[in-house]
Amino acid sequence: NAGVTQTPKFQVLKTGQSMTLQCAQDMNHEYMSWYRQDPGMGLRLIHYSVGAGITDQGEVPNGYNVSRSTTEDFPLRLLSAAPSQTSVYFCASTISASSPLHFGNGTRLTVT
Amino acid sequence: GESVGLHLPTLSVQEGDNSIINCAYSNSASDYFIWYKQESGKGPQFIIDIRSNMDKRQGQRVTVLLNKTVKHLSLQIAATQPGDSAVYFCAARVKQNSGGSNYKLTFGKGTLLTVNP
Repeated sequence: NAGVTQTPKFQVLKTGQSMTLQCAQDMNHEYMSWYRQDPGMGLRLIHYSVGAGITDQGEVPNGYNVSRSTTEDFPLRLLSAAPSQTSVYFCASTISASSPLHFGNGTRLTVT
Repeated sequence: GESVGLHLPTLSVQEGDNSIINCAYSNSASDYFIWYKQESGKGPQFIIDIRSNMDKRQGQRVTVLLNKTVKHLSLQIAATQPGDSAVYFCAARVKQNSGGSNYKLTFGKGTLLTVNP
C-alpha cells in the first residue's frame, strides 16, 4: 500500500493562476479531507468528503474547490491563486470518523 | 467550539530520558483524542489515540493519559531516542450535532521535541 499520495511536492504560482493539487489513496477509505498548515497555527480543514460524490466545506474553504468522482481521488483546485494561499497542503483519509487520519506528505505551495 | 493548545512550544531532552508533552482542550464534549508526530518535510504520522471513556492507553514506548476533569492530555515517550525528534501535536474531536455523524477535529499547534545525544 502506498497510503496517501500527493502531487506535486512543491509548486510556485503567480497570483491569479489556477492549479490542481492531486491526492490519491489506495486504502479504500471513504473519508478524505484537505488541510492547510501555516506557521504558528494548527492544521485547518479546507474541504472534506465522506464518500464518492459527496463533498462539504471545512473551516477555510474560500478560494478552493473539490470534487470526489471516485473513492480513490480527491483533488483540490485553486481557482485564482492569492499570496494568502501560500501554505503547506495536506490530504488525509480515514476509514471512519472514529479512526485516525492518514496523511500524505504534503504539497508546499508558494504564491508570488 | 474547541481550541486545542500545547503547554510548551519546545521541549529538549537527553537521549534515554522520558519525555512528556502536554495538551489542553477546551470543549468538554470532546470524545476522541489523537497524537501525531510530524518530521520535517513529512506529513503527520499517527502515534496513538484514546477515547473519552478511557484514562490511559499504552503503545510501544508511548503512553497517553487523559484527564477529563481538567481537560488535559499528555503523551509520554519512554527512553527517548534521536529518531523521536519531531513536532508532536494533539487533536480533539467533538460531535457537531446531536444524533448526527458530523464531527469536528481540532488540531493543536505542536511542540517541537529535540533529543540531545
